[in-house]
Amino acid sequence: SQQGEEDPQALSIQEGENATMNCSYKTSINNLQWYRQNSGRGLVHLILIRSNEREKHSGRLRVTLDTSKKSSSLLITASRAADTASYFCASFTSPGGGTSYGKLTFGQGTILTVHP
Amino acid sequence: DGGITQSPKYLFRKEGQNVTLSCEQNLNHDAMYWYRQDPGQGLRLIYYSQIVNDFQKGDIAEGYSVSREKKESFPLTVTSAQKNPTAFYLCASSTRGLEELFFGEGSRLTVL
Repeated sequence: SQQGEEDPQALSIQEGENATMNCSYKTSINNLQWYRQNSGRGLVHLILIRSNEREKHSGRLRVTLDTSKKSSSLLITASRAADTASYFCASFTSPGGGTSYGKLTFGQGTILTVHP
Repeated sequence: DGGITQSPKYLFRKEGQNVTLSCEQNLNHDAMYWYRQDPGQGLRLIYYSQIVNDFQKGDIAEGYSVSREKKESFPLTVTSAQKNPTAFYLCASSTRGLEELFFGEGSRLTVL
């Protein structure tokens, strides 16, 4: 089964509005990452939040992590038409600890459409 | 510029044929990965390799094979044993820490 579940599956907003996407996971993680995918293209890394962090910012992106609820959220503020894409969370687990190879498991993604 | 190059971008295959997807990186990354993406779904790991001449099965390795003879290259063969090969295939690489994956632009395989 998928480690990550994302909500909502699709989100449609107007330019200038904020977009919030949520991600849940099932097991303890080392970090959680968010990626963006334009239609028919590869994924691009947006931001990483470690298990001991609660919030992180990067430009118009804000990510939160609640390890007690096994959930994360990605907020895009003042959205633009160019933000239209699919957004994926990916949870990293390393059975042996540390950052040697573990497993990066992707959620099913949220399709964000920003209307001009 | 550094990056990952996948080829071909589109590929059509008849049933029963093997096809090989190319993935080359010049980022000097140790680890490379192949993922499969189906419509409306997340990515599923097919194979990964941490070092040259070594690779491991991911979650859906059946019907696929890989090789890692050079650090820069990690080709994926979709064999005739793969029952439902039509999909979008993504190659990625990372440093050993797996804190950020760098993706290629993908190869879309269609079985006719």
